[in-house]
Amino acid sequence: GIQVEQSPPDLILQEGANSTLRCNFSDSVNNLQWFHQNPWGQLINLFYIPSGTKQNGRLSATTVATERYSLLYISSSQTTDSGVYFCAVVAGNTGKLIFGQGTTLQVKP
Amino acid sequence: ETGVTQTPRHLVMGMTNKKSLKCEQHLGHNAMYWYKQSAKKPLELMFVYSLEERVENNSVPSRFSPECPNSSHLFLHLHTLQPEDSALYLCASSQRLAGELFFGEGSRLTVL
Repeated sequence: GIQVEQSPPDLILQEGANSTLRCNFSDSVNNLQWFHQNPWGQLINLFYIPSGTKQNGRLSATTVATERYSLLYISSSQTTDSGVYFCAVVAGNTGKLIFGQGTTLQVKP
Repeated sequence: ETGVTQTPRHLVMGMTNKKSLKCEQHLGHNAMYWYKQSAKKPLELMFVYSLEERVENNSVPSRFSPECPNSSHLFLHLHTLQPEDSALYLCASSQRLAGELFFGEGSRLTVL
């Protein structure tokens, strides 16, 4: 099956810093999503981005489908950005959204 | 508020109990999913339903029994669970298979 690898596994930032999270996947995908999991466990949709670039406020994402990776950019980080960021992909039309291991981000004040 | 509601949010049960988790989506979606998230592990897909038909059963033990009576509701019936089944169970829905998924807040299960 398709493999999804995220890096780095852990990241500590000072408030105001910028960061880039990476997601590599092993096969062509029809769907790629980025999520933020809050401390209570809920997965918040950040981007639905099988290809191209999208921006939402301080966050932006780019997926280069031909090279099988996606990047999530966080600018001017805030303490509320802390949590786990997941990349997830679907290969084919099976509906199987496969998750990476996540990047745990801690933003210090 | 994502439009996907899960109840209960927390559940503690003994190994001989029978309980159910409920998921309801208000988005008019046609596909629904159950995921399991254990500590220190990535999210694992358990079941996929499309138009109320199960299309994926990801080698899940029979002590977990899903039910999808209509496109808005999804249940996970639990019986004779083991302590290692303690986890966060997440429900999600999408307009179509392989479409954008929206998750509920999760049901945190503890098996004693």
